[in-house]
Amino acid sequence: GIQVEQSPPDLILQEGANSTLRCNFSDSVNNLQWFHQNPWGQLINLFYIPSGTKQNGRLSATTVATERYSLLYISSSQTTDSGVYFCAVNNNAGNMLTFGGGTRLMVKP
Amino acid sequence: KAGVTQTPRYLIKTRGQQVTLSCSPISGHRSVSWYQQTPGQGLQFLFEYFSETQRNKGNFPGRFSGRQFSNSRSEMNVSTLELGDSALYLCASSPYRDGEAFFGQGTRLTVV
Repeated sequence: GIQVEQSPPDLILQEGANSTLRCNFSDSVNNLQWFHQNPWGQLINLFYIPSGTKQNGRLSATTVATERYSLLYISSSQTTDSGVYFCAVNNNAGNMLTFGGGTRLMVKP
Repeated sequence: KAGVTQTPRYLIKTRGQQVTLSCSPISGHRSVSWYQQTPGQGLQFLFEYFSETQRNKGNFPGRFSGRQFSNSRSEMNVSTLELGDSALYLCASSPYRDGEAFFGQGTRLTVV
């Protein structure tokens, strides 16, 4: 099956700093999503981005499908950005997501 | 529009028992999928239903089963619970056969 790797596994930032999270995948995909898992466990949708670039406030994402990677950018980080960020992909018919191992982000005040 | 609703939120069961978890998708969504999250294995796909048919199944033993009803609500059942089944179980719904997935708040199952 498809493999998904996220880097870095852990990231500690000072409030106000910028960061880039990376997601590599081993095969072509027809769906790629970024999620933020809140402290209660719910996965919050950030981006649905099988290709191209999208922006939402301080967050933006780029997926280069031909090179099999996606990047999530967080600018001017805030303590509320802390948590685990997951990349998930789907490369078959149906809604079967394969998740990366996540990036655990801690933003210090 | 209401989001994906999972019940119950928390559950404690004894080894050997069985458990049923419920998921109500976003109105109009016909695809429901289930995932298990554990510290050791991360997030793993269990199975997916579309219009009451199971379309995909992950690599889990037969003790894990599910179904979807005509109103798209889904249930998953785990029989003969083991300690290793302790996990956060997440349900997601999608409007299409392969579209953006939206997750519920999860059911945290503890097996003692």
